[in-house]
Amino acid sequence: LAKTTQPISMDSYEGQEVNITCSHNNIATNDYITWYQQFPSQGPRFIIQGYKTKVTNEVASLFIPADRKSSTLSLPRVSLSDTAVYYCLVGDKGAAGNKLTFGGGTRVLVKP
Amino acid sequence: NAGVTQTPKFRILKIGQSMTLQCAQDMNHNYMYWYRQDPGMGLKLIYYSVGAGITDKGEVPNGYNVSRSTTEDFPLRLELAAPSQTSVYFCASSYGLGTVRDNQPQHFGDGTRLSIL
Repeated sequence: LAKTTQPISMDSYEGQEVNITCSHNNIATNDYITWYQQFPSQGPRFIIQGYKTKVTNEVASLFIPADRKSSTLSLPRVSLSDTAVYYCLVGDKGAAGNKLTFGGGTRVLVKP
Repeated sequence: NAGVTQTPKFRILKIGQSMTLQCAQDMNHNYMYWYRQDPGMGLKLIYYSVGAGITDKGEVPNGYNVSRSTTEDFPLRLELAAPSQTSVYFCASSYGLGTVRDNQPQHFGDGTRLSIL
């Protein structure tokens, strides 16, 4: 299983950019990197996914260097509603399915 | 557009009782999953299914059973409930593998909060 390491928590202020870096040193060639967001009392929600270089959608950007041993989720101009836990996952592609391993995630607190 | 629906939302059980947590999806996903999340922790995979009639164990399967008779439904059964099974349970679904690089995002329900006293 490709394990991930990410900071336990981060504080930010409204309007700032938040960058969360995830380490995944033993990522496999065919693995994708996926980020989920989880609000209290809700299930995780898919944010963004990438394989290499940069991916951007309406919510976030994902930066992946050439060696793919880490990735950085960038949340532009955060608001109070972005306070959540963010999980970095690397796909475990095993023959039987795309099982994912969730680590502890990064708790992001956005302050006014 | 319901997505993944879990019932019940809350339940309190006594030690030794049994119950079934229901999960249904309407996206025609062939992969379904059950996770548990303890307070302040990440999710741990209990069981998963790659299609009707096919199930397999995840990281923490002891004390649970699953079945998958249809594409839509993936119930989780707790036999002889124990305090250690107090947790929030999430069901998820996704499309199956396409190409070797396929890693389709999972869609989650809102969870079942289970307390065993």
